[in-house]
Amino acid sequence: QVQLVESGGGVVQPGGSLRLSCAASGFTFNHYAMHWVRQAPGKGLEWVAFIRSDGSNTDYVDAVKGRFSISRDNSKNTLSLQMNSLRAEDTAVYYCVQDSAPGYFDYWGQGTLVTVS
Amino acid sequence: DIQMTQSPSSMSASVGDRVIITCQASQGINNWLAWYQQKPGKAPKLMIYAASILQSGVPSRFSGSGSGTDFTLTISSLQPEDFATYYCQQATSFPLTFGGGTKVEIK
Repeated sequence: QVQLVESGGGVVQPGGSLRLSCAASGFTFNHYAMHWVRQAPGKGLEWVAFIRSDGSNTDYVDAVKGRFSISRDNSKNTLSLQMNSLRAEDTAVYYCVQDSAPGYFDYWGQGTLVTVS
Repeated sequence: DIQMTQSPSSMSASVGDRVIITCQASQGINNWLAWYQQKPGKAPKLMIYAASILQSGVPSRFSGSGSGTDFTLTISSLQPEDFATYYCQQATSFPLTFGGGTKVEIK
C-alpha cells in the first residue's frame, strides 16, 4: 500500500533553515508528481509546492517563492523540501502528498510539524 | 490566483440529517474540483474529485455536483463518522487553492 513518511520537522529560529524529507513506498515513485501541503495550527490547508514526476518542473505558492525549494531523488524514492529564511508564519504541519491525477491530492503522509520561534 | 469560498464555515447537524456544503470559485474552473474530509489530528482524505466522482471506498451517501464556479458537497444522511472538517480545492491552475473549510459538528 502507498506509504508516505515525512521527517525533519522541529523547532527553528526565525531566519533559520530546515530540510524536510518524505520517504515514499508502495507505488512507482517516478510515475507521480508530488506536492507539499501545509496546515498552520488550527487553520486551513495551504498548497506549498509541486514537482513533476521527473523533476523537470516545479511551482510554489507566492509566500514561499525564493525561500523554499522542492526536489526529488527518484533513485531513492525520496521527496524533499529545503526551507530557508524561515518566518513565524511558516509554522505548520507539512504534508507530503501524492498527485494521483493532475492537481488532486490522493495519498497523504502523517505530516511533520515545523515550528518557527 | 483563484479564490475558493466555502459556506458555511461551521454547522451543527444531527445523525440522519441531509447536509449541504457549498464552494464557490472566483473564476470558472470547469469541473476541476475536489472535496476532502479531515478529522482532528489526521491528514485530509480525498472524497470526491472532478466535482462529482467518488473516490474509491467513499460511501455513496456522499455526492458532489457543480461546474464552472459553483459546487456542492452533499451528505444524504449524516453518520457519526462524518463529523469532520470538509475542504474544497481547485485543481485547474497553480497555485492550487483550498476553501477555508466547513466544520460539521454534532448538534
